Amino acid sequence: GAGVSQSPSNKVTEKGKDVELRCDPISGHTALYWYRQSLGQGLEFLIYFQGNSAPDKSGLPSDRFSAERTGGSVSTLTIQRTQQEDSAVYLCASSSGDPRSAQYFGPGTRLTVL
Amino acid sequence: AQSVTQPDIHITVSEGASLELRCNYSYGATPYLFWYVQSPGQGLQLLLKYFSGDTLVQGIKGFEAEFKRSQSSFNLRKPSVHWSDAAEYFCAVGPSGYSTLTFGKGTMLLVSP
Repeated sequence: GAGVSQSPSNKVTEKGKDVELRCDPISGHTALYWYRQSLGQGLEFLIYFQGNSAPDKSGLPSDRFSAERTGGSVSTLTIQRTQQEDSAVYLCASSSGDPRSAQYFGPGTRLTVL
Repeated sequence: AQSVTQPDIHITVSEGASLELRCNYSYGATPYLFWYVQSPGQGLQLLLKYFSGDTLVQGIKGFEAEFKRSQSSFNLRKPSVHWSDAAEYFCAVGPSGYSTLTFGKGTMLLVSP
């Protein structure tokens, strides 16, 4: 079956511009996660959606970052007024929500802020 | 707070030799443990997971991992490494399969001919 998909695969933007990154989870998965992977920082949790519950935003590094999930499926991560330190690979994952499940990752979006 | 330590940043193994990648975790309760592999330019692929029960778990691509509670370890092993195993390997811990995960910094595996 289809896995997690993300778009675009690469994004180059100028400092100060806004960007939107998209994630399509595995069909039927109720949980969706965003992580950031950068050199020297490893993988960092950003935000977590589970069903209709309020998202866990505890990992968002600043108020320039936000995310939404429409219809319990597709999610968009938005970064406003991008900074050079936002350059990283943004990974999306989804899970069935079963405690014994696992997270399945998409290929990521590589963001470069010039 | 939960944490994961992968003490080896890089490991080089000869093709056909055995492999062991180390992972130590800190977690207050019974952890859910995972190993993922990431090839260059790719996302993370799940190799195996541990929730409870048998402490030796089998995964894909011939990998296995052993959970040792007394040592707070979850080391990944493979009896014979193939050149295609060259990649970065991440250990992760969480309170359940669907909760957010804490990842180690990763171990880069290089395979020499």
